[in-house]
Amino acid sequence: QKEVEQNSGPLSVPEGAIASLNCTYSDRGSQSFFWYRQYSGKSPELIMSIYSNGDKEDGRFTAQLNKASQYVSLLIRDSQPSDSATYLCAVTNRDDKIIFGKGTRLHILP
Amino acid sequence: AAGVIQSPRHLIKEKRETATLKCYPIPRHDTVYWYQQGPGQDPQFLISFYEKMQSDKGSIPDRFSAQQFSDYHSELNMSSLELGDSALYFCASSSLQYNEQFFGPGTRLTVL
Repeated sequence: QKEVEQNSGPLSVPEGAIASLNCTYSDRGSQSFFWYRQYSGKSPELIMSIYSNGDKEDGRFTAQLNKASQYVSLLIRDSQPSDSATYLCAVTNRDDKIIFGKGTRLHILP
Repeated sequence: AAGVIQSPRHLIKEKRETATLKCYPIPRHDTVYWYQQGPGQDPQFLISFYEKMQSDKGSIPDRFSAQQFSDYHSELNMSSLELGDSALYFCASSSLQYNEQFFGPGTRLTVL
């Protein structure tokens, strides 16, 4: 089992709709969870951090964490064409080492 | 806000040459990480430094070495370059208090 798993996509979402990105992780000792956005040829940009169960909202972004299910998600409301990118889920394992998923490609349809 | 600075942004080298990539972390960040990202791949962790000491080592080839200096900037030295070393190389930094990693713009290395 891979440490951090994401659906590679592409995930196509109509403009204005909600995009839902999912990530599962294997290490029950994980404490920190991050979502990065990466445009092609550019560096990953941290958009959300979440450390406790529940929801965390920041503008159009909501991160959801369920440690019992080892599941973290990112919701993007009112999706815009500029949201089209690869979204990387990252999780710190019990050794506090960050592990990246392979990313989900999101395509917002105008 | 100040961000991570990397230089050069683009580098073209021949096989078997050497390359040095530089990284200047966000002020007051004490940990630096190096990643390699090939086309269509997720970032692969190479090595990290905390307070100028190597703190973790990933899939870094023996041909590569790195260090962190007293001003916290870091350099990745790559020798005997191979075609397969062509990739984006990212540096990220974080502080001990918050383990969020912030990435620099990257260096695109092309080995011909």
